[in-house]
Amino acid sequence: NAGVTQTPKFRILKIGQSMTLQCTQDMNHNYMYWYRQDPGMGLKLIYYSVGAGITDKGEVPNGYNVSRSTTEDFPLRLELAAPSQTSVYFCASSYWGSSIQETQYFGPGTRLLVL
Amino acid sequence: AQKITQTQPGMFVQEKEAVTLDCTYDTSDPSYGLFWYKQPSSGEMIFLIYQGSYDQQNATEGRYSLNFQKARKSANLVISASQLGDSAMYFCAMREGTTTQGGSEKLVFGKGTKLTVNP
Repeated sequence: NAGVTQTPKFRILKIGQSMTLQCTQDMNHNYMYWYRQDPGMGLKLIYYSVGAGITDKGEVPNGYNVSRSTTEDFPLRLELAAPSQTSVYFCASSYWGSSIQETQYFGPGTRLLVL
Repeated sequence: AQKITQTQPGMFVQEKEAVTLDCTYDTSDPSYGLFWYKQPSSGEMIFLIYQGSYDQQNATEGRYSLNFQKARKSANLVISASQLGDSAMYFCAMREGTTTQGGSEKLVFGKGTKLTVNP
């Protein structure tokens, strides 16, 4: 049981380049999330998904796109990288059922530097 | 208005002593959950403890306990017998509502407190 995995671990992008951050979970969780963490700050929600084919915007969605074609995968797409997108990106998943107690399980993070 | 406030950017504690990390929250929803996560220097987010708004007792998980004061809207994390490995960032987070009440599936995080345990 690998939990939540993310690739790559670290990436340097030039301004204007595009890339996809990969996220996979093997816990059969229905909900998946993408967060960004800027230095010295907490996590801010970019996008989330309540199930395959359904996504919605979080607090800071501009400059990003997501898709969810399967329960397991939730890739995050950066189309035109900007220095403001330099951050650490975390993917998370949870089972959202009838209880508020379910926690989110986080991947190890992807460190992105845009120069 | 911030929903989760952690007023201590940094805290220091001697090894083997107890330490309290503060967290206050803001919600008008009667049903909510509070979470604490640990983020060591390696970067991963580790779930520590959960407290529900209707829980009658304070949550405990090993050396971690949550001092839940509902009227004050505070959910402070207490770490007993601190260890060097406890040095990390600690984040408080809140989820509002339940699925049956149309609640939020999203967590809102505070800015965190950096804990340093001195030998």
